[in-house]
Amino acid sequence: DVKVTQSSRYLVKRTGEKVFLECVQDMDHENMFWYRQDPGLGLRLIYFSYDVKMKEKGDIPEGYSVSREKKERFSLILESASTNQTSMYLCASTIINTEAFFGQGTRLTVV
Amino acid sequence: KQEVTQIPAALSVPEGENLVLNCSFTDSAIYNLQWFRQDPGKGLTSLLLIQSSQREQTSGRLNASLDKSSGRSTLYIAASQPGDSATYLCAVRGRGSTLGRLYFGRGTQLTVWP
Repeated sequence: DVKVTQSSRYLVKRTGEKVFLECVQDMDHENMFWYRQDPGLGLRLIYFSYDVKMKEKGDIPEGYSVSREKKERFSLILESASTNQTSMYLCASTIINTEAFFGQGTRLTVV
Repeated sequence: KQEVTQIPAALSVPEGENLVLNCSFTDSAIYNLQWFRQDPGKGLTSLLLIQSSQREQTSGRLNASLDKSSGRSTLYIAASQPGDSATYLCAVRGRGSTLGRLYFGRGTQLTVWP
């Protein structure tokens, strides 16, 4: 069974903290994505990666960075967490002509 | 930029009804289209993937069609059940300069009552 695993289901962090969200896939996929999902706004793309050490900005990259040192792992970093980054974060992985698979999501609350 | 629209935004039906959910997209240069299901507070579960060269895919009570030239897809759910209650999302995979990127609609929230 294919698997995309996000390191936490729920996180509570303080304003100004540096936050790391980890995503690991076991399918040898080149492409990985980070989205955030908010009520009424749908899924918005933060960053995506085509391969190791390659990344591209999505629609809302401000306040975020990413790291992809190994093919199986794609990390999302909130440099200085703010309350407007409270959201559901979803990681996905795929190769170009196959299904995309999602992790279970991380519900982040910044207080 | 690719825009994906899903209609209706919400749907409430009695158990047993056959349903059609709609998805439209503005740029026909796609690799594929995928339908997902999302339960409250959870991640997305893949339901069906249709390649750009295909017209439809079936899985159990679900049937998805694709008309790439008109930028439309439908998800047909036969004999709906309360367990089908969830949000259904469609996503298209872009080609060319948007290679690999997934574009999502905002979803249809389905409620099936007994």
